[in-house]
Amino acid sequence: QQQVKQSPQSLIVQKGGISIINCAYENTAFDYFPWYQQFPGKGPALLIAIRPDVSEKKEGRFTISFNKSAKQFSLHIMDSQPGDSATYFCAASIIRNTPLVFGKGTRLSVIA
Amino acid sequence: EPEVTQTPSHQVTQMGQEVILRCVPISNHLYFYWYRQILGQKVEFLVSFYNNEISEKSEIFDDQFSVERPDGSNFTLKIRSTKLEDSAMYFCASSADSAVSAAFFGQGTRLTVV
Repeated sequence: QQQVKQSPQSLIVQKGGISIINCAYENTAFDYFPWYQQFPGKGPALLIAIRPDVSEKKEGRFTISFNKSAKQFSLHIMDSQPGDSATYFCAASIIRNTPLVFGKGTRLSVIA
Repeated sequence: EPEVTQTPSHQVTQMGQEVILRCVPISNHLYFYWYRQILGQKVEFLVSFYNNEISEKSEIFDDQFSVERPDGSNFTLKIRSTKLEDSAMYFCASSADSAVSAAFFGQGTRLTVV
């Protein structure tokens, strides 16, 4: 019940395309859903996060869509660029009782 | 921009030896965490620390592990007797407020147990 399932495991997108990564969770107590971006040899960096009281949050080219009834959330990267090539992790936590539970990650490659 | 700093960046140790991984969290943060990532796998929670005590720990964080905040700035993870399976990237993270849960991660320490 503590798991966060992430798909796909890897993704290749052409430059300018839309990258979509999906996550699903079971624990309905989760109320904080961040996405982290990780470049090789670096720590995860917070990209964008959402609370379940909204269905969508947009920051620049990055959008989180959240479906509370389906217990799913996704990251959309619009106009994907080669510099977006990284591993993306979704995560979930209970705000007043962290820690973060991470998905297994998606390796994104954006090709020109 | 403030950042979480970890040292060393890479540590090689013999099986059975003790290692101490060091972290300097962001200065006004109150919540501190250790996570680990075995090569190619997901990031896993080890322990959280608040108000000078452990607030939560995972099954991975057994008696071989301990954490300490010896002074106002450092946060350390000690592994008493390392095993081969402890080889991983260890990330320190900190957050200002658990209600925000925006954890900022350090660049990690790669621990290799031989």
